[in-house]
Amino acid sequence: DAKTTQPPSMDCAEGRAANLPCNHSTISGNEYVYWYRQIHSQGPQYIIHGLKNNETNEMASLIITEDRKSSTLILPHATLRDTAVYYCIVKRGGGADGLTFGKGTHLIIQP
Amino acid sequence: DGGITQSPKYLFRKEGQNVTLSCEQNLNHDAMYWYRQDPGQGLRLIYYSQIVNDFQKGDIAEGYSVSREKKESFPLTVTSAQKNPTAFYLCASSPLSGAGYYLAKNIQYFGAGTRLSVL
Repeated sequence: DAKTTQPPSMDCAEGRAANLPCNHSTISGNEYVYWYRQIHSQGPQYIIHGLKNNETNEMASLIITEDRKSSTLILPHATLRDTAVYYCIVKRGGGADGLTFGKGTHLIIQP
Repeated sequence: DGGITQSPKYLFRKEGQNVTLSCEQNLNHDAMYWYRQDPGQGLRLIYYSQIVNDFQKGDIAEGYSVSREKKESFPLTVTSAQKNPTAFYLCASSPLSGAGYYLAKNIQYFGAGTRLSVL
């Protein structure tokens, strides 16, 4: 699985859009980008994933650059409940092997 | 309610003791996983299982054992050989059957975790 690089922490004002970057310069053609988040002392929660097209669901949007070497997770209107550690994971689609979690980005939403 | 249930929420181990962490899912998922998380770190894979009666070691399997006798259950035993067991343990499951789109997702669903400490 390709390695990912994320900033260790970020702040965002409540109600504003939170943009979380992720670099994955060694991503392969069959690898997807997945985002999970972990609220303190809870299990991680799936947010969104994509291969090369931009994706949107009820939680967030995922923007993947054309060369696929980086991506941005966007939380459009951040709330205090979005304070969590966000993990960007690159993995081939399918299969049953586990996910590789780095240290992620600790996003703090400020009131 | 469908989901993954881990128990207990907190567990204490004495020196030389084996302890077993429970993980049950009613999502009808084929694959199940165990991860360990140390403070300030990401999750690390201990073991995973794709089908009943079969499982594979992850990155840090030493000192741990698992069984998969039923599709719904994947208990983890922390043996006395694990010298530093204090951590947050997370169980997850994911579907493997279904349409190609579903397979590509590789989405894992996590339980609430068990926090293990050493007395």
